[in-house]
Amino acid sequence: DVKVTQSSRYLVKRTGEKVFLECVQDMDHENMFWYRQDPGLGLRLIYFSYDVKMKEKGDIPEGYSVSREKKERFSLILESASTNQTSMYLCASSLGQPPYDSGYTFGSGTRLTVV
Amino acid sequence: AQSVTQPDIHITVSEGASLELRCNYSYGATPYLFWYVQSPGQGLQLLLKYFSGDTLVQGIKGFEAEFKRSQSSFNLRKPSVHWSDAAEYFCAVGTYNTDKLIFGTGTRLQVFP
Repeated sequence: DVKVTQSSRYLVKRTGEKVFLECVQDMDHENMFWYRQDPGLGLRLIYFSYDVKMKEKGDIPEGYSVSREKKERFSLILESASTNQTSMYLCASSLGQPPYDSGYTFGSGTRLTVV
Repeated sequence: AQSVTQPDIHITVSEGASLELRCNYSYGATPYLFWYVQSPGQGLQLLLKYFSGDTLVQGIKGFEAEFKRSQSSFNLRKPSVHWSDAAEYFCAVGTYNTDKLIFGTGTRLQVFP
């Protein structure tokens, strides 16, 4: 089975800190995604990447950036953490080949609290 | 652009009762449709998917879903719910020409013994 591993389950950071959330997948998937999950809002796409060093903004990219230097690793960066970025962050990966019917494999999530 | 609606925020059922979770989508062509389940504190797990063929699809954990084009729906069903089914369920829609899925806001299922 494909595994998507997020390095931290829980993180507590201070306002203004630079925060790195790491995600690694082990099945050579082309596409990787970062979502944010908040009660009543479902999953909202922050960024996704369809190849090494290639990225595209999702629906809520403000305050975030990403890095994909290697195929298996996709990092989400909060340049200057703010309290409104307290949330559950979910990483996902997919095969990335048309017809795009395989769905995603998700990591277990990182619950970030910014104080 | 495609969209998906899950009208029920929270559903409570008794163990052993049947279950139906609603999902409505908006898309001009034939969509790809997915149901995911999220146990507390966990990531999302794929339950089942539809992209063509038989409109009744079977998934894991005894779940099934039926694609009804005329109603733009993809409702998830289970004939007899177990306490371990308590979780949050997400419907998602995708298309053949992009790998970006659009997720609904989720339905939280509570199961009483």
